[in-house]
Amino acid sequence: DGGITQSPKYLFRKEGQNVTLSCEQNLNHDAMYWYRQDPGQGLRLIYYSQIVNDFQKGDIAEGYSVSREKKESFPLTVTSAQKNPTAFYLCASSILGVENIQYFGAGTRLSVL
Amino acid sequence: QQQVKQSPQSLIVQKGGISIINCAYENTAFDYFPWYQQFPGKGPALLIAIRPDVSEKKEGRFTISFNKSAKQFSLHIMDSQPGDSATYFCAASTDSGGGADGLTFGKGTHLIIQP
Repeated sequence: DGGITQSPKYLFRKEGQNVTLSCEQNLNHDAMYWYRQDPGQGLRLIYYSQIVNDFQKGDIAEGYSVSREKKESFPLTVTSAQKNPTAFYLCASSILGVENIQYFGAGTRLSVL
Repeated sequence: QQQVKQSPQSLIVQKGGISIINCAYENTAFDYFPWYQQFPGKGPALLIAIRPDVSEKKEGRFTISFNKSAKQFSLHIMDSQPGDSATYFCAASTDSGGGADGLTFGKGTHLIIQP
């Protein structure tokens, strides 16, 4: 089945720890995105990437880092600099050259211990 | 600064009724306006989308109405069903002719359809 796979589904972070969220897609989409969702806040863009080895900051990039070494993978690292990391994290992908239709994964829920 | 404002925050509609959710945007460079549906614990899924050169788009029971001069757009769900109970998000982006900018989302509307 084609789609976007996020793992793990649930993740716990200790104080001062970096954690990495995985996002893999087998849709052959060019662009990938990370959003953060907080209750009552909608989705906010963290980072996005249109091509391999290139990415742009979104509205709330502070405390996060990403890499795009392969077209199908776009991992997100939540660093210890992110003081309020508890949220639902969503990865999405889209095809370049057509409408900006973004397909979302099922999300990772990150909590702080 | 919130660039896409969505209302109401929550909405209760009787089965068979019409659900209406409204959004307003500020950035006149936005040229792509999708609506997403999200069920608890799941990722959002695209429902329907519109571009500003069209005033209305209908797909099944879902209709987007777009008012470019007022910078507003709305989602109408006709004959609302209990299975439509979900959170709905409007969004906007500068599509840049197929470029892949991120979406700017409204804060969401929690819709409940009462049987």
